[in-house]
Amino acid sequence: QVQLVQSGAEVKKPGASVKVSCKASGYSFTDYYIHWFRQAPGQRLEWVGWIYPNSGGTNYGQKFQGRVTLTRDTSITTAYMELSRLTSDDTAFYYCARGAPAGRSEGNDPWGQGTLVTVSS
Amino acid sequence: EIVLTQSPGTLSLSPGERATVSCRASQSVRSNYLAWYQQKPGQAPRLLIHGASSKATGIPDRFSGSGSGTDFTLTISRLEPEDFAVYYCQQYGTSPRTFGQGTKVEVK
Repeated sequence: QVQLVQSGAEVKKPGASVKVSCKASGYSFTDYYIHWFRQAPGQRLEWVGWIYPNSGGTNYGQKFQGRVTLTRDTSITTAYMELSRLTSDDTAFYYCARGAPAGRSEGNDPWGQGTLVTVSS
Repeated sequence: EIVLTQSPGTLSLSPGERATVSCRASQSVRSNYLAWYQQKPGQAPRLLIHGASSKATGIPDRFSGSGSGTDFTLTISRLEPEDFAVYYCQQYGTSPRTFGQGTKVEVK
């Protein structure tokens, strides 16, 4: 079955960087976009950006421009999100989720289980 | 960006009752690219509806979506115990993808 499995929880100090992985299985990894979202305590879900694994092309939310980098390793069907210059406002669950194939627009399905990133001194 | 506003914030109902959740967009959603998700505590969101009214794979018939333009509705015809959760709408027609603030469906 189609599945996305994320790396484990992280605790980081302010100013540090964090890198979260998202291992895909059960489908052709290079044919579907991978989106990243986050959900801070008490806040609505927020889109971080997407990567198209086939080309490596990316698109980032304006709020995260300059701080986030999405990459992928097609040999191990894994996508990565790296967020730098962390502050306490970045404490949240981070989710990867599959998007549509190229040329289509669809909702996000499935989602990874989420990775809690805690930023604390 | 498109702002989505859901109502009500909380819905208190009993199993077997009908649930109706509204989602209003600050501007028209392109091609009615509006999705609904269910999220239970400690879990990731699960896609229920896409394209405003198309059910995702494996979603029970009691879930339905409707609407167009700026006004959308999620209806659960008869609540089952496993349906008590938080529901979010999402528009994916215009970047950035945005979400509503969520509606909690709780047991009355």
